[in-house]
Amino acid sequence: DSGVTQTPKHLITATGQRVTLRCSPRSGDLSVYWYQQSLDQGLQFLIQYYNGEERAKGNILERFSAQQFPDLHSELNLSSLELGDSALYFCASSVDGTQPQHFGDGTRLSIL
Amino acid sequence: AQTVTQSQPEMSVQEAETVTLSCTYDTSESDYYLFWYKQPPSRQMILVIRQEAYKQQNATENRFSVNFQKAAKSFSLKISDSQLGDAAMYFCAYSYSGNTPLVFGKGTRLSVIA
Repeated sequence: DSGVTQTPKHLITATGQRVTLRCSPRSGDLSVYWYQQSLDQGLQFLIQYYNGEERAKGNILERFSAQQFPDLHSELNLSSLELGDSALYFCASSVDGTQPQHFGDGTRLSIL
Repeated sequence: AQTVTQSQPEMSVQEAETVTLSCTYDTSESDYYLFWYKQPPSRQMILVIRQEAYKQQNATENRFSVNFQKAAKSFSLKISDSQLGDAAMYFCAYSYSGNTPLVFGKGTRLSVIA
């Protein structure tokens, strides 16, 4: 158990809809990262938050947004969903630069 | 931009034998971190081993060890005494510092033959 909790584990929805993925980092971890794993693009970094502030942005679409709350949990919002958004979405957390990132079990998003 | 290349899409190894997975990377930085993550069929991402670029000594974790060649920008993973539970997708990853996003390779799928 990595200590990083992601909910829900599975999500099935239709094109055009909006979903929210939730991540609770390990206790004490200030950084939260979101990654997308798809068959054609592999594992790609989306966005990072550190102690409530956006720290880095990767290949995140404008239809996607995220935030980190005062209790350090994070949410990734995906809107106007397309078939190509079907993927496994991972959240990872780390305490600081001295420790590696630990991953949650992911949320599998299926767009029908 | 930093890139990570895993040139072996698939590998196989006999149980109890040794296998080496290759990884090369490209960076202009002198200090950075390299990782191997394992993704079994359950799809979890499990940290296998980590190497800090400033350390000359190769990292080891039980049956897992790395061969870190900084000048060649090479970071291979050696799995000794392979077990059936080692069957998984293995990803090589790079980060500029410990608190920056990971850049992943495409992965190597390892099969272990009984």
